[in-house]
This record gives sequence, C-alpha cells and structure tokens, in this order.
Amino acid sequence: NAGVTQTPKFQVLKTGQSMTLQCAQDMNHNSMYWYRQDPGMGLRLIYYSASEGTTDKGEVPNGYNVSRLNKREFSLRLESAAPSQTSVYFCASPSRDRSNTEAFFGQGTRLTVV
Amino acid sequence: SQKIEQNSEALNIQEGKTATLTCNYTNYSPAYLQWYRQDPGRGPVFLLLIRENEKEKRKERLKVTFDTTLKQSLFHITASQPADSATYLCAPADDNYGQNFVFGPGTRLSVLP
Repeated sequence: NAGVTQTPKFQVLKTGQSMTLQCAQDMNHNSMYWYRQDPGMGLRLIYYSASEGTTDKGEVPNGYNVSRLNKREFSLRLESAAPSQTSVYFCASPSRDRSNTEAFFGQGTRLTVV
Repeated sequence: SQKIEQNSEALNIQEGKTATLTCNYTNYSPAYLQWYRQDPGRGPVFLLLIRENEKEKRKERLKVTFDTTLKQSLFHITASQPADSATYLCAPADDNYGQNFVFGPGTRLSVLP
C-alpha cells in the first residue's frame, strides 16, 4: 500500500517548456488535490478534483491545467513554464471516511524553472 | 474567502517544556480542524483531528483544543523533545472538502536540547 505517489521528485525546466506532474493514489479515495508550497506562503491550492471526471480551480490556478484520468490518477500540467512556477508541488488525497478523516500527501515534486 | 493564521512563523522552546501553537481562522465555520506535521523535504503527515462538538482531544503527548466561538485551535506538545522539531500546519475543514481544504502557513517549531 503505497498511499500517494508523485513523479518526478525533482525537475529543472527552461522557461517556456512544458511538463506534466503525475500523482497516483491507491486508497480508492474520491478526492485529490494539487498544492504548491513556497517559503513563507504555506500550501496554496492550485486545483482539486472532488471525484472522477470533475475538476475545480483553487486559489492559484493560473498557468496550470489538470486531468483526472481515472479514480487513481490526477495530473498537473504546466503548458509554458515560468520562473514564478518554481516551487515544491504536493498532491494530496483526503479520506472522507467519517471515522478516519485525514489527508495523505505525496512526497512532493521540487520544480525549478530557469 | 477564508483566512487561516498561525501564531508565529517560528517558535523555539527548551526540551521538556510544553510547546503551544495557535491556529486562528476567519470567514469559515469548519466542522472540524486537522493538525499536520511536516519535516523538511517531506509532505505533511496527519496528526490529529478535532470536531466542532469536541472541546479537547489527546493523543500521547499531543493535545488539541477547539473553540468555535473564538475561531481558534490550540495545539500543545507536552514534554517536548528535539525530535518534535518540525513545521506544524493546521487545516480547518468540513466533510465536503472542496475548495475549503486549505492550510495555515505553518509554525516551525525548534526544540532545543
């Protein structure tokens, strides 16, 4: 039982390049989230998916797109990377079981845009 | 939109003392509040959840209180140890999650030996 798996762990992009961050969970959860974390800013919500087939914007969606490919996978795409998107990206999947409500996080993707 | 504040960016305490971290929120009425621990280079890890109808919750050396009138939660670590050094995040939430599943900026706790 791996929980939430993110790939890659590290990535360096040049300005204007595109890439997709992958996230998969094996806990059969409906919800999945993407956050970015910057020093002094905490975790900021980019996009979330309440269930397979649905996605919604969070606080900072500009410059990103997402795909909820199936119940397990939720990917985050940067179409044209900018230095302002240098950050650590976390995928999370909350359990909505009322007896055990908590969110499980991946280990993060550290992205540098030069 | 909701706003979450945590009392300080960094907190230093001596080993053996009790650390108290504060989480305040506005423009929101969460059904419960979660606390997470984050170590450098790692994702947050869930610690405790307290529901709106609970005043206090304990787990080993951890204690959380939740005051819905003050819109505040206090997180206590008793008999603190250097291994407790980490960043602690609070997250008010409800069973709908949605865009309201957001986190406070965190408090970086350092327990000095």
